[in-house]
Amino acid sequence: EPEVTQTPSHQVTQMGQEVILRCVPISNHLYFYWYRQILGQKVEFLVSFYNNEISEKSEIFDDQFSVERPDGSNFTLKIRSTKLEDSAMYFCASSAGAGGYTFGSGTRLTVV
Amino acid sequence: AQSVAQPEDQVNVAEGNPLTVKCTYSVSGNPYLFWYVQYPNRGLQFLLKYITGDNLVKGSYGFEAEFNKSQTSFHLKKPSALVSDSALYFCAVRDQYGAPGGSYIPTFGRGTSLIVHP
Repeated sequence: EPEVTQTPSHQVTQMGQEVILRCVPISNHLYFYWYRQILGQKVEFLVSFYNNEISEKSEIFDDQFSVERPDGSNFTLKIRSTKLEDSAMYFCASSAGAGGYTFGSGTRLTVV
Repeated sequence: AQSVAQPEDQVNVAEGNPLTVKCTYSVSGNPYLFWYVQYPNRGLQFLLKYITGDNLVKGSYGFEAEFNKSQTSFHLKKPSALVSDSALYFCAVRDQYGAPGGSYIPTFGRGTSLIVHP
């Protein structure tokens, strides 16, 4: 069964450093998403990406965040200057269209 | 704006008994509804979805959910719970057309922890 792959599974970074979280969506999917889940809290939408541009973003997705699809397979989330409150599990997801969102297993980001 | 409510933080059930995890939603248009399960230190796994058609949707691992438009609910059910079903369950909704006040992006509930006792 096709999977969404995320790397690394766990990243520890110092406050103020830049991090890049990587995702390989399912190959024939056209819509890509990033969500995050702060420990013990609900899953929150960050951004969606379609046709090489951001289609929707939440209030959380401020200027510190950016997304990119640098080639035909990878989809990255960059946090420019990490803050302690950025510590969370970050999930990438992809979909072909209506419904059927497939999530990766997540990257646990710890900012110290 | 679309929203999802999962009124129970935790549901406890004995193995072999039926289980229900509740979800109610609000969208401006027609809903697309989803259930996901999250095992410890794992990602979100898709269980089932309602797009259109039969109100009773069957999904993975013996789970099913019933769409009730009048009650705006989409409760997750299983006739006989297993200890291995213990996990965090998330309900999600999106608007069919992303109409004004709605979104193509699924909005998740805060999750319900299901604990199945042996």
